Amino acid sequence: GQQVMQIPQYQHVQEGEDFTTYCNSSTTLSNIQWYKQRPGGHPVFLIQLVKSGEVKKQKRLTFQFGEAKKNSSLHITATQTTDVGTYFCAGARGSQGNLIFGKGTKLSVKP
Amino acid sequence: DGGITQSPKYLFRKEGQNVTLSCEQNLNHDAMYWYRQDPGQGLRLIYYSQIVNDFQKGDIAEGYSVSREKKESFPLTVTSAQKNPTAFYLCASSIQGSNTGELFFGEGSRLTVL
Repeated sequence: GQQVMQIPQYQHVQEGEDFTTYCNSSTTLSNIQWYKQRPGGHPVFLIQLVKSGEVKKQKRLTFQFGEAKKNSSLHITATQTTDVGTYFCAGARGSQGNLIFGKGTKLSVKP
Repeated sequence: DGGITQSPKYLFRKEGQNVTLSCEQNLNHDAMYWYRQDPGQGLRLIYYSQIVNDFQKGDIAEGYSVSREKKESFPLTVTSAQKNPTAFYLCASSIQGSNTGELFFGEGSRLTVL
């Protein structure tokens, strides 16, 4: 079935280092969303990308949607301990299909 | 405050018992969803409802049942037919039944089968 692959599964960084997680789909996506889940918490919406080649920034976070609308990335500059958690991408195919979640990238940040 | 309330937060069940998880929202959202999360896994869709008195199966509906008698409520029953029910269950809602809007999640219910 349709899948959204996300890598890496885990990432351990020193505070201040950068972090990137990647999301790939075998089919073209109509949009992609990103969520953050803190340890013991629930997913919280970060952003939605819709346009081919779109780039959006939220402070230290940069989100990209590929030109072919099959891949996306989330980049965090100069990580902080507050960035700890699991980051999920969720892709949609067409306007009626449900979101397909990637398995997430678990980020740990060493002070 | 507007939001989604799930209860109970923790639940223990013996094998062979049915259990119902509650999900209530006061966001006036049309669409509601149930997801299952296992360690190291993404969120998998169990059931969803785009409007009152209507719901559809998601990717892993076997062993689960739902109802949507009121706009605000979307309870999930984990039946004894669910072979591996121990998991973290998340309820979510969105403004309308499409995949182009933000999902708002409840805090989740953690079910353990003894």
